[in-house]
Amino acid sequence: EAGVVQSPRYKIIEKKQPVAFWCNPISGHNTLYWYLQNLGQGPELLIRYENEEAVDDSQLPKDRFSAERLKGVDSTLKIQPAELGDSAVYLCASSLSNSEVDTQYFGPGTRLTVL
Amino acid sequence: GIQVEQSPPDLILQEGANSTLRCNFSDSVNNLQWFHQNPWGQLINLFYIPSGTKQNGRLSATTVATERYSLLYISSSQTTDSGVYFCAVWNKLTFGGGTRVLVKP
Repeated sequence: EAGVVQSPRYKIIEKKQPVAFWCNPISGHNTLYWYLQNLGQGPELLIRYENEEAVDDSQLPKDRFSAERLKGVDSTLKIQPAELGDSAVYLCASSLSNSEVDTQYFGPGTRLTVL
Repeated sequence: GIQVEQSPPDLILQEGANSTLRCNFSDSVNNLQWFHQNPWGQLINLFYIPSGTKQNGRLSATTVATERYSLLYISSSQTTDSGVYFCAVWNKLTFGGGTRVLVKP
């Protein structure tokens, strides 16, 4: 069974440019998460989807970040425009449901560098 | 929001040594998970452990929910155990700052 797939793995952009990250969760997983991980810190939740509905986006900076999960499968996270402080690793994870006993499976992440 | 603190922040071990990592949390939680992030950045779930004790090979974990802490034990450490260990609590999906472990051959 394939794990969580993310692309691209690395992205380097100039500040003020737009950027998008893509995530394909494990087949059959209804819940999808986007996290941001700064160097030397733990991941921080940006948004959580139950199927196609965003059920927790309280920590998503909505002035420049947006996300979508059309058809409740794969998801895209976008930043427009990017700022220097957005340099980080963006992690996607999925779980079978929102049950508290469900394990989250993480993708390899996208490392973003904003110059 | 809930605070999750891990200690120690860094740990250097000689191969074969045992160690204990600690996770303290500031409020009641419905579950707690331990993750290992390898040197290539991949996060792997180790334990889902809201209370009690679990063991998986050389790793074991204990959560005392009433006292708001969890412990991760690594026995007979190997170089492949190197990386960062995170605990995370389900309420608001909050991660601790991690313990960076380096196992030397």
